Amino acid sequence: AQSVTQLGSHVSVSEGALVLLRCNYSSSVPPYLFWYVQYPNQGLQLLLKYTSAATLVKGINGFEAEFKKSETSFHLTKPSAHMSDAAEYFCAVRLNNNDMRFGAGTRLTVKP
Amino acid sequence: ETGVTQTPRHLVMGMTNKKSLKCEQHLGHNAMYWYKQSAKKPLELMFVYSLEERVENNSVPSRFSPECPNSSHLFLHLHTLQPEDSALYLCASSQGTGHYEQYFGPGTRLTVT
Repeated sequence: AQSVTQLGSHVSVSEGALVLLRCNYSSSVPPYLFWYVQYPNQGLQLLLKYTSAATLVKGINGFEAEFKKSETSFHLTKPSAHMSDAAEYFCAVRLNNNDMRFGAGTRLTVKP
Repeated sequence: ETGVTQTPRHLVMGMTNKKSLKCEQHLGHNAMYWYKQSAKKPLELMFVYSLEERVENNSVPSRFSPECPNSSHLFLHLHTLQPEDSALYLCASSQGTGHYEQYFGPGTRLTVT
């Protein structure tokens, strides 16, 4: 089965601290991987995507993610958290032409 | 309007009502999607349309009926819903199927009473 697992449904960091949101996937073929962010009462917004070009992918708002095939991971990081980063983050894997499978989401809280 | 829009943003309906959700994309995309987002559960893909033809139907109950009259518009017709159908319904579009990223609308918050 192909799926994506996000470790930790809730992550809390202090403003200025490192943000690390974990995502592991399972896929029988080279995957296409995505991170999305959802702010309250809004739809999902694409942060970044991996499509096999480079293993370190830079996205919007200072986020980046590294694809590690040996660990089947695609963790999302940001060096310094900002209050505006508080939101829910979703990792997703494209299974085939028609299906995208999302993780359960990680809610990020940023403390002042 | 830009991006993906959805109307209405909020909808309350009784179990015997019939209503429709509307989605419109202004991105020139060829594929459109309906998702259901419930509390504490991952996003569930409901329907996929590519070039106005349905290409995926993930075992969705027949009380949900999609319609894609052209590549810019997508509807979700609702009838005789159940309280457990209360959720946020998200529409998305992409340039095509395959590796293209999806762009999401703001969603319709549906409450079934």
